[in-house]
Amino acid sequence: KAGVTQTPRYLIKTRGQQVTLSCSPISGHRSVSWYQQTPGQGLQFLFEYFSETQRNKGNFPGRFSGRQFSNSRSEMNVSTLELGDSALYLCASSSGQEGTEAFFGQGTRLTVV
Amino acid sequence: GEDVEQSLFLSVREGDSSVINCTYTDSSSTYLYWYKQEPGAGLQLLTYIFSNMDMKQDQRLTVLLNKKDKHLSLRIADTQTGDSAIYFCAERNSGYSTLTFGKGTMLLVSP
Repeated sequence: KAGVTQTPRYLIKTRGQQVTLSCSPISGHRSVSWYQQTPGQGLQFLFEYFSETQRNKGNFPGRFSGRQFSNSRSEMNVSTLELGDSALYLCASSSGQEGTEAFFGQGTRLTVV
Repeated sequence: GEDVEQSLFLSVREGDSSVINCTYTDSSSTYLYWYKQEPGAGLQLLTYIFSNMDMKQDQRLTVLLNKKDKHLSLRIADTQTGDSAIYFCAERNSGYSTLTFGKGTMLLVSP
């Protein structure tokens, strides 16, 4: 059974640009959550999608957005990139049912220059 | 608000036991997790415990939960150099998929 796949693994972008990250969850999983990991702030929750609907949202500016497709694949978009957006972005896949495990992908390392 | 705290660093010798501690503040936490992160990698789920349990054992891993003190620990028996990594404690509330993480404990295992 394939794990959680995130693409691309690495990205370098310039300030002001926008970026789209992709996450394919484990087959059969309907929930995808996104987290930002930085040395200073640690792991912070961005948002969660379940069956194409945003179910929960963290405390991030509106420049961060996401969506989920009917096949459960999810994309995350960051517009008007800032230097502080440089981070490892992790996607977690779960069935969405209460009490189940969340499995993470390898992450996308975004560097903003 | 929710808060999860861990000590930042632990150093042990190969073959010893390691104990990584975590405290949380949200009494409505229903599931508590331990994840491992190696350099340049994502998070690997090690184990989790439901809040109505006191202990869970899985091979070399033992999780202890003291719900009264909101204290969680992960014991790794016979620690190996391959166990060197950052270990994250996380909590999840009933009804939500969101995980709240601690800052992580760096475990260094020396030969």
